[in-house]
Amino acid sequence: LAKTTQPISMDSYEGQEVNITCSHNNIATNDYITWYQQFPSQGPRFIIQGYKTKVTNEVASLFIPADRKSSTLSLPRVSLSDTAVYYCLFHNNAGNMLTFGGGTRLMVKP
Amino acid sequence: GAVVSQHPSWVICKSGTSVKIECRSLDFQATTMFWYRQFPKQSLMLMATSNEGSKATYEQGVEKDKFLINHASLTLSTLTVTSAHPEDSSFYICSASGTWASDYYNEQFFGPGTRLTVL
Repeated sequence: LAKTTQPISMDSYEGQEVNITCSHNNIATNDYITWYQQFPSQGPRFIIQGYKTKVTNEVASLFIPADRKSSTLSLPRVSLSDTAVYYCLFHNNAGNMLTFGGGTRLMVKP
Repeated sequence: GAVVSQHPSWVICKSGTSVKIECRSLDFQATTMFWYRQFPKQSLMLMATSNEGSKATYEQGVEKDKFLINHASLTLSTLTVTSAHPEDSSFYICSASGTWASDYYNEQFFGPGTRLTVL
């Protein structure tokens, strides 16, 4: 079963851009890459999804190189409320099951 | 996005009792629902996948007789923790996906979670 690898934690300051990279060497051809955000004692929340190249929405950008073996979530000008755990996931090729890796714990400081 | 609710949000029970947790999709039909367990400072661990009207598929190491899952309708799935023990204390989260619920590929919508404490 393919897995993702992310940094365990990152620190940043308010107003900075944060880039979190995820490695997924065994991603399948049909898999989409999805990022979720989780605050303490809450369920995860969808942030962004992509297949290749670049995707941007109102909260983040997602960069995926041509080989799709990694992806980078970019959060522009983070605020204290962006302190959370961020998970990179893709769907198991047996269906739409999600496999959560360790996630990246982002701490935004004033 | 689509909304998933869970009830109760927290529960405290005595060892040996059973606890039922409900997961509802409020504004879409959930063809598939998932149940996760999360211990403090750890990632989500998938326990089982359930499709409406079918038996749940459990992940390796999850006791199906202890964690009973029912997905009787397209908007409701329940997880019953039978004969709960202190080691079952955890944060239980459900998620749901549906064919017309999202513009994104297989997006899952997560409930707010249920904190179970077994004394």
